[in-house]
Amino acid sequence: EIVLTQSPGTLSLSPGERATLSCRASQSVSSSYLAWYQQKPGQAPRLLIYGASSRATGIPDRFSGSGSGTDFTLTVSRLEPEDFAVYYCQQYGSFAYTFGQGTKLEIK
Amino acid sequence: EVQLVESGGGLVQPGGSLRLSCAASGFTFSSYSMNWVRQAPGKGLEWVSYITSSSTTTYYADSVKGRFTISRDNAKNSLSLQMNSLRAEDTAVYYCARVYYNYMGVWGKGTTVTVSS
Repeated sequence: EIVLTQSPGTLSLSPGERATLSCRASQSVSSSYLAWYQQKPGQAPRLLIYGASSRATGIPDRFSGSGSGTDFTLTVSRLEPEDFAVYYCQQYGSFAYTFGQGTKLEIK
Repeated sequence: EVQLVESGGGLVQPGGSLRLSCAASGFTFSSYSMNWVRQAPGKGLEWVSYITSSSTTTYYADSVKGRFTISRDNAKNSLSLQMNSLRAEDTAVYYCARVYYNYMGVWGKGTTVTVSS
């Protein structure tokens, strides 16, 4: 099973700042199978990025994804108040899906 | 509007059974594979089970293999998860999610399962 490790666990930033979230895999992941989700309290997750770098429908262009192999990054270029949430990376491989443990993006 | 609505959650004793359902609308259900994903209180997301569009293939997380069974009825636009031999660690919000190219673009709001005596 591929393990995804996200860092940092919590990221404290102010609106307008840039956020960089990391997702590291225990073995190489196909970029086609790497996604990022945003989850706010009491809500279901929302797809942000798929295929490591493609934005889902309706996702603002301040969100971007990059990376390959074992290292992937989600960047939020200029934080808006509504961006403070928990973010998860997810991969598919070997007949199973796995999620990272999440990064909480909180207001500083 | 594309929508997934889960139901069937509740309180069940350890060792008991529960059947969750997910009603799909607004899209051609029979064209998509589906997942169940759960989230224990205060914890992260955990994939539970997967089923292809025609039910030919199913996968399960090791934590539920042999206890949970995923199924679907394309004529009724419905996805199900039969959960047997429930344990306290199965307590979670259970989400159904539409799969496309191995990512999940549509999620339901979830249904809560509590396993406790």
